[in-house]
Amino acid sequence: GQNIDQPTEMTATEGAIVQINCTYQTSGFNGLFWYQQHAGEAPTFLSYNVLDGLEEKGRFSSFLSRSKGYSYLLLKELQMKDSASYLCAVRDRSGGSYIPTFGRGTSLIVHP
Amino acid sequence: DSGVTQTPKHLITATGQRVTLRCSPRSGDLSVYWYQQSLDQGLQFLIHYYNGEERAKGNILERFSAQQFPDLHSELNLSSLELGDSALYFCASSVEGTSGIYEQYFGPGTRLTVT
Repeated sequence: GQNIDQPTEMTATEGAIVQINCTYQTSGFNGLFWYQQHAGEAPTFLSYNVLDGLEEKGRFSSFLSRSKGYSYLLLKELQMKDSASYLCAVRDRSGGSYIPTFGRGTSLIVHP
Repeated sequence: DSGVTQTPKHLITATGQRVTLRCSPRSGDLSVYWYQQSLDQGLQFLIHYYNGEERAKGNILERFSAQQFPDLHSELNLSSLELGDSALYFCASSVEGTSGIYEQYFGPGTRLTVT
């Protein structure tokens, strides 16, 4: 199985930068996803990393270090609408299953 | 709009009852996944179907079952319902069932309340 760890909650100010960390333990790493989920709504895909390094997509960037079992999601120029839960999900190929396992999510509160 | 549809949006039922949740994947997606999300457990994987065949099972109770039909829509059946089954149930679809970026697209969910 996998162990995925994220902070439960973070707060930040509008216009600022916030980094949400995710650590994981897995035997057959096959990719890491970040999803955004507003309360009561469906998760929506943000980013995917399978190789080490930084992937940038507009205001959002995601970083991966496979040797450290570590990823972070960086959100720049925060807006109030960024208040949501951010889910880290790790896909593991061991056992023949490629289903992503989700962390419990980090609830981000952006205040004015 | 992800292109994944789920019905019903809300469901309120009593303990011991049986319900069926329905999901239609995005056009062209062969994989359907079911997840349960409760406040204290996060998003828990239940089961995965690919082109009509069961591919993987997660933490799915024996009281729960699912199937994917030839038109690729899927149904999740929950029976002998208990209070603890109250949760949001999401369906997701993707193009492929194995490796590759193939991110999952989630439906709006069905909120099940068992009283």
